[in-house]
Amino acid sequence: EVQLVESGGGSVQPGGSLRLSCAASGFIFRSYWMYWVRQARGKGLVWVSRINNDGSGTSYADSVKGRFTISRDNAKNTLYLQMNSLRGEDTAVYYCGRGTPGDLDVWGQGTTVTVSS
Amino acid sequence: DVVMTQSPLSLPVTLGQPASFPCRSSQSLVNSDGDTYLHWFQQRPGQSPRRLLYKVSNRDSGVPDRFSGSGSGTDFTLKISRVEAEDVGVYYCMQGTHWPPTFGGGTKLEIQ
Repeated sequence: EVQLVESGGGSVQPGGSLRLSCAASGFIFRSYWMYWVRQARGKGLVWVSRINNDGSGTSYADSVKGRFTISRDNAKNTLYLQMNSLRGEDTAVYYCGRGTPGDLDVWGQGTTVTVSS
Repeated sequence: DVVMTQSPLSLPVTLGQPASFPCRSSQSLVNSDGDTYLHWFQQRPGQSPRRLLYKVSNRDSGVPDRFSGSGSGTDFTLKISRVEAEDVGVYYCMQGTHWPPTFGGGTKLEIQ
C-alpha cells in the first residue's frame, strides 16, 4: 500500500524553526517528485515547495522562499521541509504529496504547524 | 501565476441528484506535450485530499464511475451523476501545466 506519513509539526513562536518529515512506503520513492502543500484552517490548498527525483531541482512559493528548504533522502525514503523564520501566516496543516511534473497523486494525512506567541 | 476559479463556494444537492462543479483557468491548460494537466481532488471533512481525476477525465483507481470530468482549454467540469452521502466534502481543481501549480478555491458539496 502506498503511504505517506508526515511528522514534526507542533507549536512554535514567531521567528522559530521546525523540521517536517514525510516517510514514504509502498512505492519506489526515488522515482517520484515530491511536494509540500499547506492548508490554513478553513482555507484552500496552497503549494509550498517541490523537489525532483534525485533532489537536484527544487522550487518554492514566493511566500516561503529563503525561509524554507526542501530536501530528500532516497536511501531513507524520506522527504523533509526545514522551516526557519516562521511567521503567523505559516500556520497550517502541511501535507506531503507524491507526484510527477504537473501532477500530484497521493497525499499524506498532514501535520499541523502553529506559529504563535 | 495561473488563477483557478471555482464557483459556487457551496453546492447544495439532494441525494440521488446530479452535481456539477465548474472550474475555469486564467490561461489555457494545454501543455506543450499535448496533455492538459487539470486534476480534481476531493477532501472529505477531517481528511486529507484525495485525487479523483487526472488530466481532465481519467478516473483514479477505486473512484466510482458516477464521477466524470470534461472540458478543454480554460473551462472544465467535474460531474457526479447521482450524489451519495459519502460524497460530502470540498472539491478542488488543480492545474499542473504552468509553474507553479495552483488550486482553485474549492466548492463544498452539501446535502440538502
